[in-house]
Amino acid sequence: GAGVSQSPSNKVTEKGKDVELRCDPISGHTALYWYRQSLGQGLEFLIYFQGNSAPDKSGLPSDRFSAERTGGSVSTLTIQRTQQEDSAVYLCASTLRETQYFGPGTRLLVL
Amino acid sequence: AQSVTQLGSHVSVSEGALVLLRCNYSSSVPPYLFWYVQYPNQGLQLLLKYTSAATLVKGINGFEAEFKKSETSFHLTKPSAHMRDAAEYFCAVRLIQGAQKLVFGQGTRLTINP
Repeated sequence: GAGVSQSPSNKVTEKGKDVELRCDPISGHTALYWYRQSLGQGLEFLIYFQGNSAPDKSGLPSDRFSAERTGGSVSTLTIQRTQQEDSAVYLCASTLRETQYFGPGTRLLVL
Repeated sequence: AQSVTQLGSHVSVSEGALVLLRCNYSSSVPPYLFWYVQYPNQGLQLLLKYTSAATLVKGINGFEAEFKKSETSFHLTKPSAHMRDAAEYFCAVRLIQGAQKLVFGQGTRLTINP
């Protein structure tokens, strides 16, 4: 079946611009996660959505980062006023029981 | 809080040789443990997982890992390396209850020499 999909696959933006990254989870998976993978920091948790519960935002690095999940399915991660240190691969995962299934990621480059 | 340590950021083995990638975890309560593989320019693919059933876990592509509570380890092994195993490998831990985020190790890049 279809896996987790993310778009765009690559994004180049200028410092100070806003970007939106999209994640389509596997149908029927109730939980959705965002992680960031960067050279200096490895894989970091950003935010977690579970059903109708309030999201766990404890991993968001600053208030420039926000995410929403509409209708319990698609999620959008928004980065406002991008900085060069935001350059990374942003990975989305959806969960069936204890296992997280990852999408291919969005590679973000902030110039 | 949980944490994961992967010993060796780079491991190089010859084709046909044993692969051993080390992972030690720290957790105040019994965790779930995972190994993921990442091929160049791709996302993370689940290799295998430990979810408190059998301590020896078999995964895809001939890999297996053994959960050793006394050593707080979950090392990944494969008896005979193939060229296609060249990738980056991540060990991750997650609490069974409560916070469900994955905490990852720093990764081990595996190189296979012909």
